[in-house]
Amino acid sequence: AQSVTQPDIHITVSEGASLELRCNYSYGATPYLFWYVQSPGQGLQLLLKYFSGDTLVQGIKGFEAEFKRSQSSFNLRKPSVHWSDAAEYFCAVGYGQNFVFGPGTRLSVLP
Amino acid sequence: ETGVTQSPTHLIKTRGQQVTLRCSSQSGHNTVSWYQQALGQGPQFIFQYYREEENGRGNFPPRFSGLQFPNYSSELNVNALELDDSALYLCASSFGLNPSLGVADTQYFGPGTRLTVL
Repeated sequence: AQSVTQPDIHITVSEGASLELRCNYSYGATPYLFWYVQSPGQGLQLLLKYFSGDTLVQGIKGFEAEFKRSQSSFNLRKPSVHWSDAAEYFCAVGYGQNFVFGPGTRLSVLP
Repeated sequence: ETGVTQSPTHLIKTRGQQVTLRCSSQSGHNTVSWYQQALGQGPQFIFQYYREEENGRGNFPPRFSGLQFPNYSSELNVNALELDDSALYLCASSFGLNPSLGVADTQYFGPGTRLTVL
């Protein structure tokens, strides 16, 4: 069965520091991969997606993610975190009509 | 802003009651998916509608049902509410070319409806 794991439940970084959020997936075919961000009490906003092609994808708000097939990973990165990036981040794998989401990583940003 | 709207924003019901949640898709989208997000968890897929037909269902009982209308707006109905149904219910719209091909179209989410069951 398809599954997504996000090993880090909660990450705290200082403003201006770099960030990497980990995502591993289990899927038998070519995955469609997504990162979404959710602010408290809000819906999910799409940050970026990978369908095919270049394995390094750029998204909104300065985020990027790299697809590594050999590691079944799709980690999210940002070179310099802003206080407004504090939120919950979800990795998802899409197949057919279904999205399977990971449990999320909560990001806190210290001033 | 995705253009996906949901109503109501918040809802309080008691156990055993029935509830209807509504979703208006982004313009041009013909596919709607519904998710349940319990506190502190990732969204769980309930079902999807493509051109007014149910196109897939997650591990939810039959008391969770839905409709999609000709204008592609959608409803989620939950009967015989249980305490564990308390959650944020998210609607997502997408443009489905042919779901049977296994292509996962990008889904755009609404702000959600917070349901509390007492």
